[in-house]
Amino acid sequence: EDKVVQSPLSLVVHEGDTVTLNCSYEVTNFRSLLWYKQEKKAPTFLFMLTSSGIEKKSGRLSSILDKKELSSILNITATQTGDSAIYLCAVRGSNYKLTFGKGTLLTVNP
Amino acid sequence: GAVVSQHPSRVICKSGTSVKIECRSLDFQATTMFWYRQFPKQSLMLMATSNEGSKATYEQGVEKDKFLINHASLTLSTLTVTSAHPEDSSFYICSVLLAGDLTDTQYFGPGTRLTVL
Repeated sequence: EDKVVQSPLSLVVHEGDTVTLNCSYEVTNFRSLLWYKQEKKAPTFLFMLTSSGIEKKSGRLSSILDKKELSSILNITATQTGDSAIYLCAVRGSNYKLTFGKGTLLTVNP
Repeated sequence: GAVVSQHPSRVICKSGTSVKIECRSLDFQATTMFWYRQFPKQSLMLMATSNEGSKATYEQGVEKDKFLINHASLTLSTLTVTSAHPEDSSFYICSVLLAGDLTDTQYFGPGTRLTVL
């Protein structure tokens, strides 16, 4: 059975801090790893990673995949209160199903 | 990007009634759609995979007679919660898969919050 473990489960920081969220996985025939941000509604897509070592970047967010270690990190620099959300990591195997981790609840205080 | 819509966004019903949730892919034809359920402070749990023109594939522990899925066209999948009970109250989210040779992209609908009294 595919498995995704995220850490930490929750994190409280101050505006301007940099945070690193972790995701480790076990999946049969890995296809991709995805990061989502979820606020009050459904998740919104952040990144999809398929190749090891290639950083994907979008503004203050970046992510990288390490297939050898079966893990990924999501970095957020210069955090803002609007970054407060649950960040979900999910992996897709050969059956196309996405298996989600429990998420990291990030709270950014002013 | 792709747009996925869900209707209704919120529904409150009495115990024992059936509720139908629609998921539409607005930008492209989707042969595969997924239905998820999310309880408060928990992650998304896959309920079933909906394939156009064939029966849905349900995850272990999900009752197929209770959660009826119909994927009658390439742009519409419906989830019907039959004889709903308070424990079915949850956030139901559909998702559309764009499968590619090298990469797949998955887009989520805005979700439907179901409250069963």
